[in-house]
Amino acid sequence: GAVVSQHPSWVICKSGTSVKIECRSLDFQATTMFWYRQFPKQSLMLMATSNEGSKATYEQGVEKDKFLINHASLTLSTLTVTSAHPEDSSFYICSARGISGLYQETQYFGPGTRLLVL
Amino acid sequence: AQTVTQSQPEMSVQEAETVTLSCTYDTSESDYYLFWYKQPPSRQMILVIRQEAYKQQNATENRFSVNFQKAAKSFSLKISDSQLGDAAMYFCAKHQGGKLIFGQGTELSVKP
Repeated sequence: GAVVSQHPSWVICKSGTSVKIECRSLDFQATTMFWYRQFPKQSLMLMATSNEGSKATYEQGVEKDKFLINHASLTLSTLTVTSAHPEDSSFYICSARGISGLYQETQYFGPGTRLLVL
Repeated sequence: AQTVTQSQPEMSVQEAETVTLSCTYDTSESDYYLFWYKQPPSRQMILVIRQEAYKQQNATENRFSVNFQKAAKSFSLKISDSQLGDAAMYFCAKHQGGKLIFGQGTELSVKP
């Protein structure tokens, strides 16, 4: 149980284009999903928290117009990197927190998306 | 800001031996959740173990156990009978304000 998928796992794009990353909780409902960014050999950096049906809450220093987050249902959240530039190249990870029981207060992570902007 | 500290950037253990990874945290809460996550080279974050602060009993999951010292704000992870597949980055995390606060990570290598 508690499986989170993320798609795509790899994406290479040209500078100036937009990239959408999907995060799905496959076997549980997630009231809250999180988006992280991770640089090699470093810890996870929280970018934003999204709750189903409401606007995402962004961490300080994260550009909300650059990183658009939509949480349309209890099982799907998307991150769109708009007008991507080489400095946006990174590893992006989503996680989902369940509603109740075993899944409550515990985040389960997707496998991550490697983004390379040329 | 509340913090989570892992003071060991790297650790090494011989296969079949036991290793302990350290974690300390800062909090003013009495009830909270603590976690250890494993991140192997695939970079998939895997939940290893979870501890609820109000429970005095240390959590255990097969070869993984924790030593939770609430007063000392310490939450160490013990890996027994280490296996090659245990080689990974390990992150300690605390649930805080609806978010996870992560430590810096400890890279564990396992020698055959």
